[in-house]
Amino acid sequence: SQQGEEDPQALSIQEGENATMNCSYKTSINNLQWYRQNSGRGLVHLILIRSNEREKHSGRLRVTLDTSKKSSSLLITASRAADTASYFCATVTGANSKLTFGKGITLSVRP
Amino acid sequence: DTGVSQNPRHKITKRGQNVTFRCDPISEHNRLYWYRQTLGQGPEFLTYFQNEAQLEKSRLLSDRFSAERPKGSFSTLEIQRTEQGDSAMYLCASSGRVRLAGVHGELFFGEGSRLTVL
Repeated sequence: SQQGEEDPQALSIQEGENATMNCSYKTSINNLQWYRQNSGRGLVHLILIRSNEREKHSGRLRVTLDTSKKSSSLLITASRAADTASYFCATVTGANSKLTFGKGITLSVRP
Repeated sequence: DTGVSQNPRHKITKRGQNVTFRCDPISEHNRLYWYRQTLGQGPEFLTYFQNEAQLEKSRLLSDRFSAERPKGSFSTLEIQRTEQGDSAMYLCASSGRVRLAGVHGELFFGEGSRLTVL
């Protein structure tokens, strides 16, 4: 079963705008990660946030985590056409570090 | 290139045939994972190894699926008597030493092996 659920399922924005994607999960986590996948390719790790952290930044990415609401958000600022991809949140619930992925969000950035 | 390598990238087979995929993880990574992904879905966990030990298998992994990681290096995933429902992208990922991975839990994925069963 898939632990995380992303919202919205699809997002289309203009280049230069910000993109906000949300993820909700069901059980307590050790950490939450976001990955990107270009069509037909493997996944690329973007950012990891631990359960005791509330916000992290990496370049144009900002991730927040609200453990009381069991939710996370990924913000991509000043989007570019090259950001067009599918984005997945994934949670780690135990020490074995197995990642459980959501169904993903399809982001389209129009030039 | 020192990333995760998967072979073959594409495999087309007839129903009932056996197929084998190979994954070469990043050197010194002690954990290796197999996931399966179908169109429009997120990756689903199949199994993972720590060194040569297979520590967990998903219920998705039927008796027709077997994975090995001899000597704790490369891994193979074999599917026997393939069915059309096995058509998917099979993804391999590795993780390991914190100093290499950078953060605990980050997975490094290969480009995947796409299986089409006719």
